[in-house]
Amino acid sequence: DSGVTQTPKHLITATGQRVTLRCSPRSGDLSVYWYQQSLDQGLQFLIQYYNGEERAKGNILERFSAQQFPDLHSELNLSSLELGDSALYFCASSVDGWPSYNEQFFGPGTRLTVL
Amino acid sequence: QQQVKQSPQSLIVQKGGISIINCAYENTAFDYFPWYQQFPGKGPALLIAIRPDVSEKKEGRFTISFNKSAKQFSLHIMDSQPGDSATYFCAASTGNQFYFGTGTSLTVIP
Repeated sequence: DSGVTQTPKHLITATGQRVTLRCSPRSGDLSVYWYQQSLDQGLQFLIQYYNGEERAKGNILERFSAQQFPDLHSELNLSSLELGDSALYFCASSVDGWPSYNEQFFGPGTRLTVL
Repeated sequence: QQQVKQSPQSLIVQKGGISIINCAYENTAFDYFPWYQQFPGKGPALLIAIRPDVSEKKEGRFTISFNKSAKQFSLHIMDSQPGDSATYFCAASTGNQFYFGTGTSLTVIP
C-alpha cells in the first residue's frame, strides 16, 4: 500500500459526459502527478501540482483539467469524453516539488471505461 | 514520438537466470532515470533510479547500467525469481517532464 488513495476504483460512462477522479496523496507529500495508462500509449504524464499550484504539464488534452486543493487532495476532470479516453488513470505523489527527483508513490488507479 | 524506447516488449526467463531490459533516449536534458515495477491491478512502484553522473547503481539483485554517450540504460535482474514476474517500465525525466517506456512484461518460470 503506497499511501496514495484514488476514488472511484472503476468508472463507466458514456461519450460526451464529464467525470471527476479524486486523489489523496500520502501524508506529508506536497506534489501530485496524474498519469494516463492505455494499452496503445503506455504510461503518459499528464500534469503535476505542487502545494496547490500547477508545476508541470505533459500530454494533457484541453478537455482535461486538474486542480489541487488546500488540503492537498487533487481532482482530475475529464470532459466531452471520447471512446479513446478509456484508460487507467493513476495519481502519484512525492514529497518535493519542482524539479522533482524524489520517488513518486502511485495510487491503485481509476479504471475509466467510456461506452 | 516516443521519448524513451524500451525493449524487449516481453521476456521469459528461467528461475535463477538474468533478466535484462534495455532503454534508449534522445533528449540529453534528461537527468533522472528511474525504473518502475508494476504488478497486475496495482500502480507502478519505484524499483531503482540513477542520475547520469554514475554509470552503474546496484540495489540487491537489481542493477542499472547507464551509458551516457550511447544514451542507453538497462535494468539487470540477477537470480530472477517467480515473484519478479511483473511489468517493468523505464523512465526518463528532466525533473518536470516525465516520460515512460512502453513496458516489458517479465515472466520468470520456476
